[in-house]
Amino acid sequence: DVKVTQSSRYLVKRTGEKVFLECVQDMDHENMFWYRQDPGLGLRLIYFSYDVKMKEKGDIPEGYSVSREKKERFSLILESASTNQTSMYLCASLPSGTYTGELFFGEGSRLTVL
Amino acid sequence: AQKITQTQPGMFVQEKEAVTLDCTYDTSDQSYGLFWYKQPSSGEMIFLIYQGSYDEQNATEGRYSLNFQKARKSTNLVISASQLGDSAMYFCAMSLDRGSTLGRLYFGRGTQLTVWP
Repeated sequence: DVKVTQSSRYLVKRTGEKVFLECVQDMDHENMFWYRQDPGLGLRLIYFSYDVKMKEKGDIPEGYSVSREKKERFSLILESASTNQTSMYLCASLPSGTYTGELFFGEGSRLTVL
Repeated sequence: AQKITQTQPGMFVQEKEAVTLDCTYDTSDQSYGLFWYKQPSSGEMIFLIYQGSYDEQNATEGRYSLNFQKARKSTNLVISASQLGDSAMYFCAMSLDRGSTLGRLYFGRGTQLTVWP
């Protein structure tokens, strides 16, 4: 089974702190994604990456950056956390060459910014 | 712009009954994929079923099936013989078949399904 692991299930940070959310997948997938989930809004794409050291903006990249130094690891960075970034963050991966584009998700990281 | 609409914030169904969750979509692309995901209270997103825009048959996966009506741009999820474990949030999503955008899903707001005994 594909395993997508997010390092922290729950985090509490203070406004202005730098926050790292880590995601690791064990199936050698080329593509990785960060989504944000808010009640009543569904999931929205923040950033994605199709290869090591490559990144592309999604629909809501403002206030976020990402890092992909190794194929299996995709990090989401909040340079200066703000209260409006309190949310559930979901990492996902996808192999290249897939026909359907079915994403494999991690269990999510619930971030609270005080 | 792509848009997914789920008009039912919450649905209730009795155990062993069937339930339909509605989803409509809006895109000018001709080639796209439609997905349904389940999210239990634990938070993990579980893939349920997929329908390609050119698939002529409605997709089925066990107790899950899609009522895909391309002209109406709707892809309703039908869950037959509901079980208590089906209680969860259900998301409809769409991707565009543009190669480089595969995996970039557009999600609806979700429908919270509650199955009661």
